[in-house]
Amino acid sequence: AQTVTQSQPEMSVQEAETVTLSCTYDTSESDYYLFWYKQPPSRQMILVIRQEAYKQQNATENRFSVNFQKAAKSFSLKISDSQLGDAAMYFCAYRNSYNSNSGYALNFGKGTSLLVTP
Amino acid sequence: NAGVTQTPKFQVLKTGQSMTLQCAQDMNHEYMSWYRQDPGMGLRLIHYSVGAGITDQGEVPNGYNVSRSTTEDFPLRLLSAAPSQTSVYFCASSYSSLGRYNQPQHFGDGTRLSIL
Repeated sequence: AQTVTQSQPEMSVQEAETVTLSCTYDTSESDYYLFWYKQPPSRQMILVIRQEAYKQQNATENRFSVNFQKAAKSFSLKISDSQLGDAAMYFCAYRNSYNSNSGYALNFGKGTSLLVTP
Repeated sequence: NAGVTQTPKFQVLKTGQSMTLQCAQDMNHEYMSWYRQDPGMGLRLIHYSVGAGITDQGEVPNGYNVSRSTTEDFPLRLLSAAPSQTSVYFCASSYSSLGRYNQPQHFGDGTRLSIL
């Protein structure tokens, strides 16, 4: 089974600054998908950004961008101009392509708790 | 669109009781799944379904049953609740047909379940 590792249990950033959350994964597949989900105290799981493994270009969504290093199996999330509303638990997740035996399940890391200070 | 709807939002059970967590989606998604979230563990897959009448086990299936009689509904049953099943449960759904398998999963708001 694929494993996803988030090595930073907690991170802190000042408002308006930039922070990078780390994620590495282990897989023997060549075709897969990577996601970052945000979970605020409300408990909702909110998709932040996604990356297709076959795309070399890093995904961006407004203040959120990723650094996808396929050979290194690394998928970090950069949050620019951090806002108080960014404070949440962030989960990195991996998903196999449609033709794998494990279906479409997401494999999650254990999460990084992001604190944003004024 | 309601998206993915989970009921109840909170539940307290006694050891040995049974109950069903409900999950419904109105997006015509083929794939549905149940996860449990425990502190420091992330989300772990319990069971999943790729379509009506088809279910399979995930990483932590013991103590749980599922069925998928319709595309919309995917209930999770606890047959005899145990304190180890105290957790937050999430239902999720997504497309799984060719050309749409890169679509993200949509999550319900979760059910906080406590077993005394």
